[in-house]
Amino acid sequence: NAGVTQTPKFRVLKTGQSMTLLCAQDMNHEYMYWYRQDPGMGLRLIHYSVGEGTTAKGEVPDGYNVSRLKKQNFLLGLESAAPSQTSVYFCASSYPGTGEYYGYTFGSGTRLTVV
Amino acid sequence: AQTVTQSQPEMSVQEAETVTLSCTYDTSESDYYLFWYKQPPSRQMILVIRQEAYKQQNATENRFSVNFQKAAKSFSLKISDSQLGDAAMYFCAYRGWIQGAQKLVFGQGTRLTINP
Repeated sequence: NAGVTQTPKFRVLKTGQSMTLLCAQDMNHEYMYWYRQDPGMGLRLIHYSVGEGTTAKGEVPDGYNVSRLKKQNFLLGLESAAPSQTSVYFCASSYPGTGEYYGYTFGSGTRLTVV
Repeated sequence: AQTVTQSQPEMSVQEAETVTLSCTYDTSESDYYLFWYKQPPSRQMILVIRQEAYKQQNATENRFSVNFQKAAKSFSLKISDSQLGDAAMYFCAYRGWIQGAQKLVFGQGTRLTINP
């Protein structure tokens, strides 16, 4: 089925460990996004990409890095995990559009706990 | 900067009754989209309804409708004949061109409980 696939779905890390979250989409979308969801704060944009080989900072980028070497993949890295990064992470993708509606497709989320 | 505010952290309604969830936003743009997303316990983000800013007519999808007040920058969601399956977290979201890129900005969310 076409869509956005996130791996892993759950992960527990110790403080200081590193990990990479993978997002893969098969819809040929140009734009990809990483969000984090925390209680009472909605979804906040971490980083985004407007095309292969490009990345940009969102609202809460500190402590995260991203890469988009292939159009279909968008990786989110935590170099040294901190308890404050305990959250649910969502990947999304879309086409850019002006004056037309292009939907966003979301992955199923990754629940990350840093202890 | 574009912001979206949901001032009701929690709402509850009796099954079969009507409930309205509030959302306000701030933007200086004239061309944008507004959305309501539903997030059940499964965490899946489900699009409920969308509204194009250039359309004056309020969007409707079955039991879900919006009251879009562009001048007031208000975008409320009305759920009629509430059902147990409507229980979820609801997010209001704004899509527009922000700092040269198209982005989706979310509100804080409203948790809706349906009482049988």
